[in-house]
Amino acid sequence: DAGVIQSPRHEVTEMGQEVTLRCKPISGHNSLFWYRQTMMRGLELLIYFNNNVPIDDSGMPEDRFSAKMPNASFSTLKIQPSEPRDSAVYFCASSRGTASSGNTIYFGEGSWLTVV
Amino acid sequence: AQKITQTQPGMFVQEKEAVTLDCTYDTSDQSYGLFWYKQPSSGEMIFLIYQGSYDEQNATEGRYSLNFQKARKSANLVISASQLGDSAMYFCAMKRGRALTFGSGTRLQVQP
Repeated sequence: DAGVIQSPRHEVTEMGQEVTLRCKPISGHNSLFWYRQTMMRGLELLIYFNNNVPIDDSGMPEDRFSAKMPNASFSTLKIQPSEPRDSAVYFCASSRGTASSGNTIYFGEGSWLTVV
Repeated sequence: AQKITQTQPGMFVQEKEAVTLDCTYDTSDQSYGLFWYKQPSSGEMIFLIYQGSYDEQNATEGRYSLNFQKARKSANLVISASQLGDSAMYFCAMKRGRALTFGSGTRLQVQP
């Protein structure tokens, strides 16, 4: 089975530009997560969706960040305008089922973003 | 608030030996899950092992086992017979509800 698919794998962009990261969760998974990883802050949850509905976006850094999940097989994380401090690895992850603590969360390979 | 602590920034182990990576957690919840992930230098996050708070037996997955001590709130990962390919960052994480909270990670280096 295909895992979580993210694109692009790598992106270098100039400050002020819009960045859109894309994610396709594992088929049948109804929870989707966006995480950010930096050296300073480690892995942070930005937002998660359940059945395409945003449940908790308290980790979204500021209004420049937005996330959507128009259907069960696609989500985007958008940064507009981007800043150098947004440089990080952005992971998308998905899991199935209910809030049971036993449902494993599977990660994509990450999108490595560099804002210059 | 829940918190995950990994006190070992880096660990070295000789090939074929066993190694224990420490993880302690803090939560007031009764139901939670504990996970370990491996992140090799290529960057992907690979799920290794899971332990539920109500599980009485320690979880095992091949060469990985989880030493779960609920009263002490610890969930240490034990890797037996280390291999060179085990060199990576290892993250402990706790799940309450749907999302994971991660520790800061331990970098393991396996030496030949």
